[in-house]
Order: sequence, then C-alpha cells, then structure tokens
Amino acid sequence: RKEVEQDPGPFNVPEGATVAFNCTYSNSASQSFFWYRQDCRKEPKLLMSVYSSGNEDGRFTAQLNRASQYISLLIRDSKLSDSATYLCVVNRQNRDDKIIFGKGTRLHILP
Amino acid sequence: EADIYQTPRYLVIGTGKKITLECSQTMGHDKMYWYQQDPGMELHLIHYSYGVNSTEKGDLSSESTVSRIRTEHFPLTLESARPSHTSQYLCASSEVGGPGELFFGEGSRLTVL
Repeated sequence: RKEVEQDPGPFNVPEGATVAFNCTYSNSASQSFFWYRQDCRKEPKLLMSVYSSGNEDGRFTAQLNRASQYISLLIRDSKLSDSATYLCVVNRQNRDDKIIFGKGTRLHILP
Repeated sequence: EADIYQTPRYLVIGTGKKITLECSQTMGHDKMYWYQQDPGMELHLIHYSYGVNSTEKGDLSSESTVSRIRTEHFPLTLESARPSHTSQYLCASSEVGGPGELFFGEGSRLTVL
C-alpha cells in the first residue's frame, strides 16, 4: 500500500461544477500537508497548505482530519483554467523529514 | 517566486554521452531533491541531500549520481546516457525545520537518441 493515496481520476467535470479531491496517508507521524498543482509538462507548484482547522483561499478549501488520516481539497465554481493534475503531499518532518507525493488526480474542466 | 533554476531546460543527446543537469537555488535551503517524471506519470524521487557533502538515493533506483559541494548547487550526472534515461528531471529544495514546502525548478527535459 502506498503511503499517500489519491483518487485515481481523471475527473471530467463541466465548468462551474464543484470538485472534491480525496487523499489518505498511512503514517501517523506525518506533520505537514499540502496540495500542489501541476500543469501539463510543467513543474508542480504549491496550491495551498492544509491545516487541522481547515483553510480556504478563494474558491479552494482544504481540510485535514488527523484522526482519519484524510485530506481533502474542494474547488467551487470550477474554471477551465483549473484543469491540471492535483498532487497530495505529506511531510513527516521527523528524523528523516521525508516528503511523500501522491500519484496525483488529473482534472479536466469541460466547457 | 521561488529562486531555483535548472539548466539546460531541454537537451537532446546521443547514446553514450556524459551529461550533467545543473540545479541552483538562492534561498539558502539545506535540503535539495531530484525527481524523475515521465509524461502523465507520477513523480519519483531519485536523489536527495540534507546539506553539503550529504547525498542519499531516493525511492527509485537511478544510474545517475549527484554531488553537493556547495549549499546552492546540486548537479545530477549521467556518465553514459541511454534512451531509457529519456525523461523530465525536476530539482527541488526545502528549508530544514520549515513548514515543509517544496520549491521546484522548471525542469530539464532529457531526450537520449
């Protein structure tokens, strides 16, 4: 079993729809959590950090449930420009400080 | 904006040639990484470093080697390139003790003929 698991995708959704991504992690020692966005043939870029209290940035909402070891990302009122691969990232920040990437979920927003 | 740079951005080279992919960052980060990614596929960690004179192999076995003589530089070398090395190579850095965010370079796309 992979340490970070994401929805396999791809998601094909119409413009304006709400999209929800799910991610689970297996190492309870994990400390920091992030969502990255990667456009085709580009480098990953930080979309948002994820905090236990949940956090929102415009149309994007991220939530963390430490008890369930579950992370989510919600995109409201999706735009064509949201089409990309979304990567769930977990940082253990213990002795080996290892950063683990999920495989990513590809999102296609349809006009 | 992240200050991490990779050169060359694109490289097409013949089998058997030695290549070095350069990665430099000006953020003073101690931790640096090399990832390999094929089109449409997941990222694979091939090397990382905790600081000067520290290098470790990642999760994916790679014939490449790395060095870390200076904090800001983390070059990757292939002594004899093969077509199976064709891929995108992404360099990244992060701050020890920081929030754990990774900053990526724009990548080096290698094609070996």
